[in-house]
Amino acid sequence: AQTVTQSQPEMSVQEAETVTLSCTYDTSENNYYLFWYKQPPSRQMILVIRQEAYKQQNATENRFSVNFQKAAKSFSLKISDSQLGDTAMYFCAFMKWQGAQKLVFGQGTRLTINP
Amino acid sequence: DVKVTQSSRYLVKRTGEKVFLECVQDMDHENMFWYRQDPGLGLRLIYFSYDVKMKEKGDIPEGYSVSREKKERFSLILESASTNQTSMYLCASCGRGSGSGELFFGEGSRLTVL
Repeated sequence: AQTVTQSQPEMSVQEAETVTLSCTYDTSENNYYLFWYKQPPSRQMILVIRQEAYKQQNATENRFSVNFQKAAKSFSLKISDSQLGDTAMYFCAFMKWQGAQKLVFGQGTRLTINP
Repeated sequence: DVKVTQSSRYLVKRTGEKVFLECVQDMDHENMFWYRQDPGLGLRLIYFSYDVKMKEKGDIPEGYSVSREKKERFSLILESASTNQTSMYLCASCGRGSGSGELFFGEGSRLTVL
């Protein structure tokens, strides 16, 4: 079975700073997807960024980027130039390449951006 | 705009009551999911459905059942609610074979069982 671990329950940074959220996972699969999802306070969870395991290049979406280390089974999220609207719970998630599209989530990291 | 709607944002029920949580999506998605969210535990999959009348158990199905009579609607049922089922329940959907892993979530239903 796959497991996803987020070791930082809470983080707090000042607006405009850069912050990195950590995620490690365990799997015997060779091909899979990894995701970061964002859950703003009292709002719906949305996808932030996705990485396919076969791709060596790290995914980037505007101010969000990942550091994917396949051998180390590590998948961190970097948020550059953080904004107040980035305040949210962030979940790392894993999905097998084939089969049912079930996501396995980590415990979550509560990120607060301070003005 | 894609939309997943959960019928109740907040519910308070008593131990032993039967509870229905409803979820409707307007994206013609084949796959629908029910997750439970608890602090420090993240999201855990209760049940999912990949087609009408089809269902599969997730990681924590005990104490729950589901119903999918129409493609757009996926219901979670607590036959006899217990206090340890107090939690946030999230419904999600996605298209079959999209491979993208992008789930579309509802706003959640916060259930308190007294």
